[in-house]
Amino acid sequence: KAGVTQTPRYLIKTRGQQVTLSCSPISGHRSVSWYQQTPGQGLQFLFEYFSETQRNKGNFPGRFSGRQFSNSRSEMNVSTLELGDSALYLCASSSLQGKAEQYFGPGTRLTVT
Amino acid sequence: DAKTTQPPSMDCAEGRAANLPCNHSTISGNEYVYWYRQIHSQGPQYIIHGLKNNETNEMASLIITEDRKSSTLILPHATLRDTAVYYCIVALAGNMLTFGGGTRLMVKP
Repeated sequence: KAGVTQTPRYLIKTRGQQVTLSCSPISGHRSVSWYQQTPGQGLQFLFEYFSETQRNKGNFPGRFSGRQFSNSRSEMNVSTLELGDSALYLCASSSLQGKAEQYFGPGTRLTVT
Repeated sequence: DAKTTQPPSMDCAEGRAANLPCNHSTISGNEYVYWYRQIHSQGPQYIIHGLKNNETNEMASLIITEDRKSSTLILPHATLRDTAVYYCIVALAGNMLTFGGGTRLMVKP
């Protein structure tokens, strides 16, 4: 069974731009969660989607948004990028909503200059 | 979610058991203990979880004290590939994961 895939793996953007990251969960998994990892703050939960609806949200500004499609694939969008948004963005899937046994993708490394 | 406390780093000799402790003194009765690890440049990997009883799978064993205020993850025969950051997380079933600083385990030849 294929694992969680994330595209692109690396991305460089400039301040003020926006970015869209994509995540394809494990086949059959319907829940997708997003996390941000930085050296200073560690791994932080962004949001979770299940059946195309956001079920949980972390403490991030409204510039961070996401969506989930009917095939469970998910996208995350960050608008008006700031230098502090430079991070590894991780996507995780699980078979049920909010199930803590999650399977992570390799992440997208975003650099904002 | 209850907060966890882990040592920032540990060393272990290759082939020996690695015992990683975690304190979670404020855990509530329906919160689970989860362990994940993150090998350099990869996404976190689920290892094991438990509520009250000790658990074992092909990767590791989880020992939870009777009062549930602490737990130990045991890697029975550590290899160099087990070098990673290990995260102990306490969470309600069906809740988001809150990662702390974890323990950086270095397995040495």
